[in-house]
Amino acid sequence: DADVTQTPRNRITKTGKRIMLECSQTKGHDRMYWYRQDPGLGLRLIYYSFDVKDINKGEISDGYSVSRQAQAKFSLSLESAIPNQTALYFCATSDPGLGTDTQYFGPGTRLTVL
Amino acid sequence: EDKVVQSPLSLVVHEGDTVTLNCSYEVTNFRSLLWYKQEKKAPTFLFMLTSSGIEKKSGRLSSILDKKELFSILNITATQTGDSAVYLCAVRVGGGADGLTFGKGTHLIIQP
Repeated sequence: DADVTQTPRNRITKTGKRIMLECSQTKGHDRMYWYRQDPGLGLRLIYYSFDVKDINKGEISDGYSVSRQAQAKFSLSLESAIPNQTALYFCATSDPGLGTDTQYFGPGTRLTVL
Repeated sequence: EDKVVQSPLSLVVHEGDTVTLNCSYEVTNFRSLLWYKQEKKAPTFLFMLTSSGIEKKSGRLSSILDKKELFSILNITATQTGDSAVYLCAVRVGGGADGLTFGKGTHLIIQP
């Protein structure tokens, strides 16, 4: 079974709709992240969470919100989706206590906003 | 603003060739540099580098960091078609912040 899972894997929605992307992990890591990937732009950090009580904005947080419901779950919401939020979204986890900055990525959610 | 620049952005070579992918960075409070391979969807981890001049090696892949000149290279020898992928370079900064700053990636295509 995958250590980091994302649901849904694909989603098509319309402008103005509220969308939630979910991420779950079984790695037992405290830190979780949301990135988006656009063609030719690499991955960019949206939000990150050190633990359930500590959530921080990343490089491109405008238009997004997050919720860390438990150590294993980190959700990303688009309150009112717009077409330029069409992208591939990745969740990731890490545990710096292991002596590494390695982040482990989920399979991604492809979101299309019409 | 932290910046990571990869070159070339795309590269086509023949099977058996050796390739060198480049990553330069300008960040405050550098902590580590990571290389990932992205084939279909999720990036998969290759190397993490923190110290200058120490080569990390895994099979035909190797990487080295130069903290004075602010760059890293990823070498792939005896390339195979399975090496075709986008290779991502990312930097982690220290201090209270977290998250990785990624370059745009190098799209490597290995032709049979």
